[in-house]
Amino acid sequence: NAGVTQTPKFQVLKTGQSMTLQCAQDMNHNSMYWYRQDPGMGLRLIYYSASEGTTDKGEVPNGYNVSRLNKREFSLRLESAAPSQTSVYFCASRAGGNSPLHFGNGTRLTVT
Amino acid sequence: QKEVEQDPGPLSVPEGAIVSLNCTYSNSAFQYFMWYRQYSRKGPELLMYTYSSGNKEDGRFTAQVDKSSKYISLFIRDSQPSDSATYLCAMSPNTGGFKTIFGAGTRLFVKA
Repeated sequence: NAGVTQTPKFQVLKTGQSMTLQCAQDMNHNSMYWYRQDPGMGLRLIYYSASEGTTDKGEVPNGYNVSRLNKREFSLRLESAAPSQTSVYFCASRAGGNSPLHFGNGTRLTVT
Repeated sequence: QKEVEQDPGPLSVPEGAIVSLNCTYSNSAFQYFMWYRQYSRKGPELLMYTYSSGNKEDGRFTAQVDKSSKYISLFIRDSQPSDSATYLCAMSPNTGGFKTIFGAGTRLFVKA
């Protein structure tokens, strides 16, 4: 049982480049989330998808776009990367109701 | 002021010690309280999940919630070197995972 799988694990971009972070879950969860984790800041929500076909902004959405491709997959796109987007990105999912979040192992992104 | 405050540590203890990890919060609407453990270069994994006030025990781990003081704790008995990790508290109101707020995490070292 893989849970939440994120690709790639590591990425280095130059300022202005674009990339898409991929996330897939095999737990049949309805909701999926993208967080970034920075030292001393905790996990901050970028975007979420409460169910297939819907997406909404979180706390720090600027510079990002998302696509809920199907129930399993939720991607995060950086159209024009900036050094401030250097971070560790985590995808998470949850079944619904008040169930807790389940996380992937993250993508470590450096923007130079 | 952050909604959730957590001492970043690091906290260093000898093997076998009782560890106390704490978070304070300001939003009285929080109803669900979680503790996640995060090993280096891994995603957060759910450790404890409690609703409202009271205690919950799972093996060597005990979670306490005091809503009147807006204070939650995680106790680890007979700590082991394998407990060395960052511990994140998290909490949400009863309206869904997109409102989950995380503490910045406390880094714990258990020395053999």
